Amino acid sequence: AQSVTQLGSHVSVSEGALVLLRCNYSSSVPPYLFWYVQYPNQGLQLLLKYTSAATLVKGINGFEAEFKKSETSFHLTKPSAHMSDAAEYFCAVSERSGNKLVFGAGTILRVKS
Amino acid sequence: DGGITQSPKYLFRKEGQNVTLSCEQNLNHDAMYWYRQDPGQGLRLIYYSQIVNDFQKGDIAEGYSVSREKKESFPLTVTSAQKNPTAFYLCASSIGQGTGANSPLHFGNGTRLTVT
Repeated sequence: AQSVTQLGSHVSVSEGALVLLRCNYSSSVPPYLFWYVQYPNQGLQLLLKYTSAATLVKGINGFEAEFKKSETSFHLTKPSAHMSDAAEYFCAVSERSGNKLVFGAGTILRVKS
Repeated sequence: DGGITQSPKYLFRKEGQNVTLSCEQNLNHDAMYWYRQDPGQGLRLIYYSQIVNDFQKGDIAEGYSVSREKKESFPLTVTSAQKNPTAFYLCASSIGQGTGANSPLHFGNGTRLTVT
């Protein structure tokens, strides 16, 4: 069964600093990979998705993620954090032939002024 | 604007009562999903439906029931058999019948259920 591990349930950065949220997956073949963001008491919004077209994926709000097959990772980055980035971020994986999305436990990002 | 509407936003019930959470979408999506969210546990799949009049159990279906009589609607009933029903419930939909790259999930804003 697929699984997703997000290292660090809470990450704190200063405004303007690099954001790095870690995600590792377990799958025998490269899956589809997604990052979602959730603001308090709201649903999830898609940030970006990996489709195998390119290993570096750019998403909304200046975020990007790099697929590294050798490391089975799909870490999310943003060069400069903004206060509005404070939210919870979820990494998710789906088998290419599957119909279910498996989510990681989430990472809460705090941005300090 | 197209989207997914979940109602109500907050719901309070006494233990032992069944409760139904509403989910309606006007995106013309085939597939719909119910997830449960608990702090620190991510999202866990309760039920999903890929087509009208058909649905499958997810990873934590015990104590829940669903119906899919219309493409637009996928209500979730939390029964008294659910041991720990207090949680945040999220409904989602996708255009295709799978969750591949071309079928990312679109989420509603959730219903927070509190059972006392």
